[in-house]
Amino acid sequence: KAGVTQTPRYLIKTRGQQVTLSCSPISGHRSVSWYQQTPGQGLQFLFEYFSETQRNKGNFPGRFSGRQFSNSRSEMNVSTLELGDSALYLCASSLALRGGIDEQFFGPGTRLTVL
Amino acid sequence: KQEVTQIPAALSVPEGENLVLNCSFTDSAIYNLQWFRQDPGKGLTSLLLIQSSQREQTSGRLNASLDKSSGRSTLYIAASQPGDSATYLCAAHGLTGNQFYFGTGTSLTVIP
Repeated sequence: KAGVTQTPRYLIKTRGQQVTLSCSPISGHRSVSWYQQTPGQGLQFLFEYFSETQRNKGNFPGRFSGRQFSNSRSEMNVSTLELGDSALYLCASSLALRGGIDEQFFGPGTRLTVL
Repeated sequence: KQEVTQIPAALSVPEGENLVLNCSFTDSAIYNLQWFRQDPGKGLTSLLLIQSSQREQTSGRLNASLDKSSGRSTLYIAASQPGDSATYLCAAHGLTGNQFYFGTGTSLTVIP
């Protein structure tokens, strides 16, 4: 079974631009979560999507948004990029079973550099 | 809000040594706790998941324990090898919001 895939793997943008990152979950997984990882802040939760609905959201500004499609693939968008948005963006998928027995599987990440 | 702490931040051991990595969390209301490994510049690889009703899980040379009442989990690595060198992260799955809270990780170096 294929793992979680993320595209692109690397991205260089300039301040003020916007960017869209893509995540394809493991087949059969219905939940997709997004995380930002930086050396200073570690792994921080952005949001989680389940059945095309945002189910949970972390403490990030509205410039960060996402969506999920009917095939569970998800995209994340960051508008008006700032230098501080430079980070590794990780996507994780899970079966979203009832009762919380919900092992997360991560993709390789997208390395975003904002110049 | 759930706070997850990992101690030590960095650890260097000679090959063959047994070692313990620590993870503590402030809110015991969790579904499960998951341990991950991350190699430099890469994504996270799931190592072990312990459900809230379990006390420990084992996979090969790895053993993870969970004590919800004290808010602690440990990852035991037996007979360490240079290939074990990586950053190890723990994540607590909160009951509210279906959110995983990550620790800052322990950077492990196993010296040949």
